[in-house]
Amino acid sequence: GENVEQHPSTLSVQEGDSAVIKCTYSDSASNYFPWYKQELGKRPQLIIDIRSNVGEKKDQRIAVTLNKTAKHFSLHITETQPEDSAVYFCAARKNDYKLSFGAGTTVTVRA
Amino acid sequence: EADIYQTPRYLVIGTGKKITLECSQTMGHDKMYWYQQDPGMELHLIHYSYGVNSTEKGDLSSESTVSRIRTEHFPLTLESARPSHTSQYLCASSEWVSGANVLTFGAGSRLTVL
Repeated sequence: GENVEQHPSTLSVQEGDSAVIKCTYSDSASNYFPWYKQELGKRPQLIIDIRSNVGEKKDQRIAVTLNKTAKHFSLHITETQPEDSAVYFCAARKNDYKLSFGAGTTVTVRA
Repeated sequence: EADIYQTPRYLVIGTGKKITLECSQTMGHDKMYWYQQDPGMELHLIHYSYGVNSTEKGDLSSESTVSRIRTEHFPLTLESARPSHTSQYLCASSEWVSGANVLTFGAGSRLTVL
């Protein structure tokens, strides 16, 4: 099955700085890469996703990049705010419906 | 409001008890999933279903079982709970949105087995 590795496991940034989370995947057949945000005590929610036919996607302060050759993708959060503090999960999926998740990154934005 | 609902949200039980975690979605999604989320946060797929009467084992072996008799309902059962089953269990369903299979999670059921 698919193996997704995520780094770092924890990330502390000063408010206003950028945060970058990186993930690698093992199966070159994977073609869909979503990112989920889980705030403390809440359910994971989709914040952005990218498909394998696209190299980059941006939504306001959040962007995701994909390098299919190297089999890695990254989440970039710019101008971080306290409400960005959460656990972020990357995931990868092939043509079936099963998502394989990374281990998560705890992001703390310091005021 | 269309959503995915899990009950109970919290459950503390003794070893050997049988428990069923309920999951219902009102979004009409065919595909449903159970993920186990340990204190270390990682999400592990334990069961999934493509539709009524379809159930499959996920990537992480689990002693739990599931059933899918109705589209909207995907309960998870542990016949004899043990402390190693202590975890949070997240139910999810998915739909195709703009060519992507988007997962919607329930609020979770946090199980503690004493």
